[in-house]
Amino acid sequence: DAMVIQNPRYQVTQFGKPVTLSCSQTLNHNVMYWYQQKSSQAPKLLFHYYDKDFNNEADTPDNFQSRRPNTSFCFLDIRSPGLGDAAMYLCATSRGTYNEQFFGPGTRLTVL
Amino acid sequence: AQSVSQHNHHVILSEAASLELGCNYSYGGTVNLFWYVQYPGQHLQLLLKYFSGDPLVKGIKGFEAEFIKSKFSFNLRKPSVQWSDTAEYFCAVNSNQAGTALIFGKGTTLSVSS
Repeated sequence: DAMVIQNPRYQVTQFGKPVTLSCSQTLNHNVMYWYQQKSSQAPKLLFHYYDKDFNNEADTPDNFQSRRPNTSFCFLDIRSPGLGDAAMYLCATSRGTYNEQFFGPGTRLTVL
Repeated sequence: AQSVSQHNHHVILSEAASLELGCNYSYGGTVNLFWYVQYPGQHLQLLLKYFSGDPLVKGIKGFEAEFIKSKFSFNLRKPSVQWSDTAEYFCAVNSNQAGTALIFGKGTTLSVSS
């Protein structure tokens, strides 16, 4: 089945230690998104790639970066995680920016 | 500010009860409307969507939603809920005014008792 895959499902890191979260897709969608979802809150868009074009949301902290080496893969890099960055990180894809988005299972990040 | 409001934070129903979850948005212009569901331990899945046409849209698992443009609403309904409908439900909107961002409501937790 075509899908969005996120690895790892659970990630524990130390305060200030860089961490990378991975997302891959078999849907061949041209848009990939990263969301942050904290407990009992709505998913919040961090940034997205439209093909190779990177689009950062205005309020996304500089601590968060992303890479998309090819159509299938997208990475979220957190350069110096703080306690406030503990959250579920969701990857999503879509064909174009106005169509439905398909979500991965998420990576739950814990910062010690 | 552009926003999506879900009126109910937590809804508790017995099996076979009818469900209506409210969703209002504050965007102008053309909007695309979505309801997503997140079952316990699972990823967000699309329940239904509205882009244009018939304002009453039917989705999976017996859910439907009605777009009322004059009220800026997109309420989710199901005539008879089942225990397996226990989940978190998110309303989401995007529009050319909001750029590409899909703005989510805060979600409604539905608990169905058997």
